[in-house]
Amino acid sequence: DARVTQTPRHKVTEMGQEVTMRCQPILGHNTVFWYRQTMMQGLELLAYFRNRAPLDDSGMPKDRFSAEMPDATLATLKIQPSEPRDSAVYFCASGMNTDTQYFGPGTRLTVL
Amino acid sequence: AQSVTQLDSHVSVSEGTPVLLRCNYSSSYSPSLFWYVQHPNKGLQLLLKYTSAATLVKGINGFEAEFKKSETSFHLTKPSAHMSDAAEYFCVVTLYSSASKIIFGSGTRLSIRP
Repeated sequence: DARVTQTPRHKVTEMGQEVTMRCQPILGHNTVFWYRQTMMQGLELLAYFRNRAPLDDSGMPKDRFSAEMPDATLATLKIQPSEPRDSAVYFCASGMNTDTQYFGPGTRLTVL
Repeated sequence: AQSVTQLDSHVSVSEGTPVLLRCNYSSSYSPSLFWYVQHPNKGLQLLLKYTSAATLVKGINGFEAEFKKSETSFHLTKPSAHMSDAAEYFCVVTLYSSASKIIFGSGTRLSIRP
């Protein structure tokens, strides 16, 4: 049963440190999404890629966040420097175009 | 402007009674509509989707939704709630134009009373 995997599942770091979250999409999917979920803001779409090219990153704070797809099997979301307000659960999802999205289990980030 | 509105942030029903979670959208384009469910500490999972075929869509776990273009609604229903249905539910609209736009509703938390 193919699944989206995310690493790490949990991350605790101190303010100012760099954080890298990784996602392995389902093989064959051409679109990868990054979301952030907090109690206050709910679920926010940060960015998404099609065929490894960024299509929409308007939801992502550009000054400290960056998202890339080095190859078709890996998507990364990086925060540098991290701040306490970045504490959230970050979800990756993959799919074919903007049809059904298959979500990973999430990375719970805590920035102290 | 395109938008998705989930009319209730929290719905509480008794086990065995019907469930209704409401979703309205506004769009200039023909949308695709989805309902996702999120159980505690889990990722989202697709319940069902509408993509311009039958207006009544059946999903997993006994859920269904009806697309009503005249009302711009896509409400989620289930005839009889089960304790395992307690979760957060998201209505999602995908708008196909020159650049596809994905819009999530704010979510409805469903509680089930024994």
